Amino acid sequence: DAKTTQPNSMESNEEEPVHLPCNHSTISGTDYIHWYRQLPSQGPEYVIHGLTSNVNNRMASLAIAEDRKSSTLILHRATLRDAAVYYCILSDSIQGAQKLVFGQGTRLTINP
Amino acid sequence: NAGVTQTPKFRILKIGQSMTLQCTQDMNHNYMYWYRQDPGMGLKLIYYSVGAGITDKGEVPNGYNVSRSTTEDFPLRLELAAPSQTSVYFCASSYPPGGTQYFGPGTRLTVL
Repeated sequence: DAKTTQPNSMESNEEEPVHLPCNHSTISGTDYIHWYRQLPSQGPEYVIHGLTSNVNNRMASLAIAEDRKSSTLILHRATLRDAAVYYCILSDSIQGAQKLVFGQGTRLTINP
Repeated sequence: NAGVTQTPKFRILKIGQSMTLQCTQDMNHNYMYWYRQDPGMGLKLIYYSVGAGITDKGEVPNGYNVSRSTTEDFPLRLELAAPSQTSVYFCASSYPPGGTQYFGPGTRLTVL
């Protein structure tokens, strides 16, 4: 399975942008980059995903390096509700199903 | 639209007992997954299904069994509970191959 490397923890302030890095130097050409987050005592929830181009949605932006060996999840204006563990995951399709491989993720703390 | 529901929310088992964790989704998704999450760790895939009647093993299938008789339901069976199976179990579903996975709220299982 392709692996990702993320910092164990990060801290930011409310209403400031947050940049969460992810390294995936062994990514293959067909791997998508997915980001999920897990709020305390909840199941993971989808944030964003991309293949080669930068992506934006209502929750966040995903910036993908030109060589695809790293990516950055950008929360444009963090709120206290964004405090969670963020997982960067490379897809691993088997028979069409996405066998997501979760690492330990980055625990994001937001200070008021 | 309830999404993915799991029952029970909490359960304590004695070593050697058996139980079934229930998972139901009302989104007509073909793909369903079972993950476990040990304290401080990421999720690990136990089993997955690409449709009714079709299941396959994930990363950590030992000690578990699954069945998929309908599109909506994907129960996970523990036959002989062991302390190593103490974990939080999450069920997820997705529609197209590679599609976003929607997670349930989890079942917290303790085996004593």
